[in-house]
Amino acid sequence: DTAVSQTPKYLVTQMGNDKSIKCEQNLGHDTMYWYKQDSKKFLKIMFSYNNKELIINETVPNRFSPKSPDKAHLNLHINSLELGDSAVYFCASSQGGTMLSYEQYFGPGTRLTVT
Amino acid sequence: GEDVEQSLFLSVREGDSSVINCTYTDSSSTYLYWYKQEPGAGLQLLTYIFSNMDMKQDQRLTVLLNKKDKHLSLRIADTQTGDSAIYFCAEKIGSSYKLIFGSGTRLLVRP
Repeated sequence: DTAVSQTPKYLVTQMGNDKSIKCEQNLGHDTMYWYKQDSKKFLKIMFSYNNKELIINETVPNRFSPKSPDKAHLNLHINSLELGDSAVYFCASSQGGTMLSYEQYFGPGTRLTVT
Repeated sequence: GEDVEQSLFLSVREGDSSVINCTYTDSSSTYLYWYKQEPGAGLQLLTYIFSNMDMKQDQRLTVLLNKKDKHLSLRIADTQTGDSAIYFCAEKIGSSYKLIFGSGTRLLVRP
């Protein structure tokens, strides 16, 4: 019954590797997001997709590439991992529409540690 | 510009009320939100308020919005140890899909 799920929950890898984090939502929402939370708990949006179309692309290194195969999935691929990529990555989803409140529902997070 | 600020830490005694404050800079905010993050978990939406409202109450939670001063607060009545967590305020600007989050306030409830 998990609304927004992410895999893996923990990811430990070495510098220079390429890794992916997967996200799925079963809420029927049309918009999905990736956020990065640093060690000081600061949360910043990275990307957003609406109906498989990229609508938010913040200043993020192009080593990060989101992929949305369908409305229910948004994956994050990271190339050439660096120490500074260590963080917790959260996926979220919402139902769009100009008259709605865009309540975003978050997944449990993926803790990425780059050594 | 887009900036949301919160105090970093609040400590209260169990049974007291907690008030967590947030200030924001963008006057075109349409919705403002409060999220709760427990250790090792994701963010849980607690409540939100539309920008043309000045107060919203939901059980133990009361949200106050002062749009003139761009100040948002979350009051938790009868605070319990289970309320210990980090609380984030966030604003939605206009019709943008983007939420701007504050840095979070760590609430510690002492028995």
